[in-house]
Amino acid sequence: DAGVIQSPRHEVTEMGQEVTLRCKPISGHNSLFWYRQTMMRGLELLIYFNNNVPIDDSGMPEDRFSAKMPNASFSTLKIQPSEPRDSAVYFCASRTGPGASTDTQYFGPGTRLTVL
Amino acid sequence: GDSVTQMEGPVTLSEEAFLTINCTYTATGYPSLFWYVQYPGEGLQLLLKATKADDKGSNKGFEATYRKETTSFHLEKGSVQVSDSAVYFCALTNFGNEKLTFGTGTRLTIIP
Repeated sequence: DAGVIQSPRHEVTEMGQEVTLRCKPISGHNSLFWYRQTMMRGLELLIYFNNNVPIDDSGMPEDRFSAKMPNASFSTLKIQPSEPRDSAVYFCASRTGPGASTDTQYFGPGTRLTVL
Repeated sequence: GDSVTQMEGPVTLSEEAFLTINCTYTATGYPSLFWYVQYPGEGLQLLLKATKADDKGSNKGFEATYRKETTSFHLEKGSVQVSDSAVYFCALTNFGNEKLTFGTGTRLTIIP
């Protein structure tokens, strides 16, 4: 089975540009999580969805960040406009579904974002 | 709120040495506990987990026991290998709070 798929794997952009990160969760998984990893702050949960509905977006840093999940097999994280401090590795993870907190979250390989 | 405190790194050991990475947690109720591993350039992978007190999770020679009395979930391995070099994260989830709460991670380097 394919794992969580993220694209692109690497993104280099200039300050002020729009950036869109993409995620395809594991088929049959109904919970999806977006994380950001930096040296300074470690792993931070940005937002998560259950059954395509955003449940907790309290980790989204500011209005420049937005996330959507139009269907069960696709999610996007958009940054507009991007800033150098957004440079980080962004991970997507999926899990079987709501109420399954004991189940494993499966992580994608991440997107390394560099904003110049 | 829930939190995880992890042993500060980095940790450097010789091959075949005994490994312990300490992890303690603060949480109400009965959280589930996890160890994730991140190899260079990759995403996180589940290493092992335990979902109730006194459970022992084990995988690839690693073990951790869920100790509710000491709120701990220390990771151990009897004989480490160079291929174990990675960053290790302790984490928890809690009923009613589905997100993973991570520790800061411990970078482990094994030298031949």
